[in-house]
Parts: sequence; C-alpha cells; structure tokens
Amino acid sequence: DAMVIQNPRYQVTQFGKPVTLSCSQTLNHNVMYWYQQKSSQAPKLLFHYYDKDFNNEADTPDNFQSRRPNTSFCFLDIRSPGLGDAAMYLCATSRDSAGAGEKLFFGSGTQLSVL
Amino acid sequence: DQQVKQNSPSLSVQEGRISILNCDYTNSMFDYFLWYKKYPAEGPTFLISISSIKDKNEDGRFTVFLNKSAKHLSLHIVPSQPGDSAVYFCAASWNYGGSQGNLIFGKGTKLSVKP
Repeated sequence: DAMVIQNPRYQVTQFGKPVTLSCSQTLNHNVMYWYQQKSSQAPKLLFHYYDKDFNNEADTPDNFQSRRPNTSFCFLDIRSPGLGDAAMYLCATSRDSAGAGEKLFFGSGTQLSVL
Repeated sequence: DQQVKQNSPSLSVQEGRISILNCDYTNSMFDYFLWYKKYPAEGPTFLISISSIKDKNEDGRFTVFLNKSAKHLSLHIVPSQPGDSAVYFCAASWNYGGSQGNLIFGKGTKLSVKP
C-alpha cells in the first residue's frame, strides 16, 4: 500500500545531542511537510518542501533543519535538542499545496524524548 | 494566536446517538476546511472536507456544516459508533490572489463513544 513511513516510532536523545528523524513516501507526492505536536496542542507546521523548494515557517527555530534528497525522502534535523523540543513529529505529504484544496497524508509520527 | 479553535477538549456520547464536534476560525481568508481523525499511536487520517462555496458536505455517517458568517463549522456523526472514539482535528487553509496558505490545525477534540 502506498503510504507515508516515519522512522523511528520512538526516539530518545540527550540534551544538545543532534538527532535526525526520517520520513519516506510511496505516494510520489510533490509536497512534504514536518509538523510538531506537543501534548494536547495543535500540530504546528515547521516547514515544507514543494518538490525541491524549501519553505520555512517564520517562527520555526534555527535549531530545526530539513533535507529532501529526493522525492521519496525527507529528514528533520534537530541540531541541539532542548527539553522543550520533546514532542511528536509528524511527517505529511500532499500531491499539491494544501491551499489548493489538497488533503494531507500523515505518517504515524516519531515521539521524541529529550533527556 | 490560534486561527483555528476547538474549544471542547473532550466529548462523550452514547453509541447510536449523534456526535457534534465544533470548530471556530478567525481568519476570513480560509476557504477550505478539513476534519482529520487520529487514533492513539497513529497519524491523523483525512475524514471529510468542505469548500467555502458550500455550506454542507455529507459522506455516509459524517456531515460537515459550514457557517461562514459565524466563522464556524461542525462535524456531525450519526449514528455514533464505539470505533469513532478518537481525537478529531479541525483544519483550514486558504487560496487567494495567487498565494496559498498551509494547513492550520485546531487542538483537537477527543471523542469517546460509549457502548
């Protein structure tokens, strides 16, 4: 089945130790998104790629970076995780931009803990 | 400042009855609205959507109503089933003047359907 796959499901890292979360898709969608969701909060968009074009949200901290080496894969890099970065990180894809009326397809998420 | 608000963190309904989940928004530019359902340990999955040119959209047991003047939408589930127990997220996006906005989510409402 075509899908969005996130690895790992659970990630534990140490304060200040760089960590990378990965996402892959078999849907061949143009757009890939990274959302951060903290407990009982709304998923918050960090950034997205439309094909190779990177779009950062204005309030996304510099500590968060992303790479999309090809259509299928997208990575979230947290350069120096702080305790406040502990959250669920959701990867999503869409065929075209969400504003064009496209629905998003989500992965199962990676739950990040920072010790 | 939240642009999409779900003011009820939780809702409990008896099986067979109607579930009504509410969502308010503040941004007049929003013209496309979606509901996502999320089970524990899974990513959100698309449920139903509505464009601002409509005031109602129905899909089986699920109906979404949009009141643009009140900036309010609601999701009706009739009849409610125990398998509907999940967190429901309201989301909105916009497409205006050649620009498009990304999907903005509410905090979610946890629905519990009791047998």
